[in-house]
Amino acid sequence: SAVISQKPSRDICQRGTSLTIQCQVDSQVTMMFWYRQQPGQSLTLIATANQGSEATYESGFVIDKFPISRPNLTFSTLTVSNMSPEDSSIYLCSAAPGQETQYFGPGTRLLVL
Amino acid sequence: GENVEQHPSTLSVQEGDSAVIKCTYSDSASNYFPWYKQELGKGPQLIIDIRSNVGEKKDQRIAVTLNKTAKHFSLHITETQPEDSAVYFCAAPHGGGATNKLIFGTGTLLAVQP
Repeated sequence: SAVISQKPSRDICQRGTSLTIQCQVDSQVTMMFWYRQQPGQSLTLIATANQGSEATYESGFVIDKFPISRPNLTFSTLTVSNMSPEDSSIYLCSAAPGQETQYFGPGTRLLVL
Repeated sequence: GENVEQHPSTLSVQEGDSAVIKCTYSDSASNYFPWYKQELGKGPQLIIDIRSNVGEKKDQRIAVTLNKTAKHFSLHITETQPEDSAVYFCAAPHGGGATNKLIFGTGTLLAVQP
């Protein structure tokens, strides 16, 4: 398994600003992912964070809006850029130590005013 | 790509009763099916998973069954307790086959009444 922490746990931001969310895993993992979960909704995959290369984004998500870094096998960041109220959501990091099983962090609850 | 449907969206049971949540998937190449429990204010927690080479898996009061022919899988919780109250999500590989990417069902809010 993997234990995942995220910072910050929550934040309130003004529109037009950017927020960087950090994800730390307690062991080296093969894959890391970022998801968005809008209030009362399911999880939607934003991108796969690739170690040492550019992230792979899902349809509807672009690098300019959600730049992602993954400098090593235990850490990744997601930035939500030029925020609007529609970006208010829970942002979740997950890690897959092996081929399939994913473990999730506690999430970052973002409110954009 | 994969499409996952989950039913019911809400489920209320009496403490001690059983609860069953069902999911269907579209891609016959999918071979890994996890279930997550999400409590209020927390991230999803993996509770059980099943791979396509088995039809059923149990872990204490939780079991998952898989019907590959019908392309559906179900979560069974027996002897429910109030602490089982949460939102449950099923998932399947995004794009089928051997991939880490997951697509999630819409979730089931389970309420266990004491």
